[in-house]
Amino acid sequence: EIVLTQSPATLSLSPGQRATLFCRASQSISTSLAWYQQKPGQAPRLLIYDASSRFTGIPARFSGSGSGTDFTLTISSLEPEDFAVYYCQQRDKWPPTFGQGTRLEIK
Amino acid sequence: QVQLVESGGGVVQPGRSLRLSCAASGFTFSSYGMHWVRQAPGKGLEWVAFISSDGSDKYYADSVKGRFTISRDNSKNMVYLQMNRLRGEDTAVYFCARDKGQRYIDQWGQGTLVTVSS
Repeated sequence: EIVLTQSPATLSLSPGQRATLFCRASQSISTSLAWYQQKPGQAPRLLIYDASSRFTGIPARFSGSGSGTDFTLTISSLEPEDFAVYYCQQRDKWPPTFGQGTRLEIK
Repeated sequence: QVQLVESGGGVVQPGRSLRLSCAASGFTFSSYGMHWVRQAPGKGLEWVAFISSDGSDKYYADSVKGRFTISRDNSKNMVYLQMNRLRGEDTAVYFCARDKGQRYIDQWGQGTLVTVSS
């Protein structure tokens, strides 16, 4: 199965700063990647699919990029509600797999 | 609005069985594939199973293949996960989730906790 490795494990930033999260796939997955946000006690929420397409209702400060094996999620200016855990997920090959997550915490 | 409501979780002994249910509403259920995804306490997300919109195609994670069965009843807007021969490592919150298309997940339930313990 395709392994997704996210970095860093934890990112400590302040509101207003720019956040850059990474996801690397163990083999090429074209642009078949999604990003999800999960807050404590809640279900995940789809942010980005096909590497760079924002899902319905997702603010423009969230953007995704990348193809092949290396992907990035960028939050241009952090809002207080953005502090959460972020997961990448590939859908290129069965089974769909998730990265281990990046915790974005308030500095 | 889309709603997915899981039920059926609880505490069960190793080796026993449990069936999870997910009631869907707010969308044309029979047009969407459905997933089960789980999350062990304090851990990340693990995809478990998928069923196509008409139930003809099913896929499973290797960790549950041969023990879990996904099914659906489009007349009742329900999806199920039959879990047999449960193990401690199956302890997790189980989320019912809707396939956006192409194996992305766009809607999630709130989850139901399954604890496997003697």
